[in-house]
Amino acid sequence: DAGITQSPRHKVTETGTPVTLRCHQTENHRYMYWYRQDPGHGLRLIHYSYGVKDTDKGEVSDGYSVSRSKTEDFLLTLESATSSQTSVYFCATGTGNTEAFFGQGTRLTVV
Amino acid sequence: AQSVTQPDIHITVSEGASLELRCNYSYGATPYLFWYVQSPGQGLQLLLKYFSGDTLVQGIKGFEAEFKRSQSSFNLRKPSVHWSDAAEYFCAVGSNDYKLSFGAGTTVTVRA
Repeated sequence: DAGITQSPRHKVTETGTPVTLRCHQTENHRYMYWYRQDPGHGLRLIHYSYGVKDTDKGEVSDGYSVSRSKTEDFLLTLESATSSQTSVYFCATGTGNTEAFFGQGTRLTVV
Repeated sequence: AQSVTQPDIHITVSEGASLELRCNYSYGATPYLFWYVQSPGQGLQLLLKYFSGDTLVQGIKGFEAEFKRSQSSFNLRKPSVHWSDAAEYFCAVGSNDYKLSFGAGTTVTVRA
């Protein structure tokens, strides 16, 4: 898993609350990604980062923000959680040839 | 923008039989292509990748895939499946701006 740790692994939160998911890597990979996985949709890119403080939107970025203040950490924040954001979230890292290494995932339930 | 289509949502195959999973992609330039496998409750593991060169690529666990530019396809094959191959398989295409786009996945069930 290229030394990728996601925390928490499971979380239940209430609608309207902010939630932050953390991804920590020990491989010094430049690129980091956040995906969500939903049945029938595969993995969809939320945001990605191509360096410290350099981030860009993916295909499903509405309602999410990210921050990367150091190489090893990439945070995903749900500004005001909604039930439609119930999903499994995966962090991935990459070295620049687009190959990605995945964490174990975070299961988020918004009630 | 790139996209990936996996036409088969679910495939059931007998243990020892051959397996082929289909993948079609859309991308304007030379694609980077990948197959990942996900076991229940786990993250994604890379099976194989194609960047350039030989269009038939070998991966882990006895899998191979063939890139056909004329058909915009990157189908995954295994000559003889094992019960442990039951999982969900994802095809992905990478772009020059380092984004990786995934198909919806194919679930493989292996029957004894």
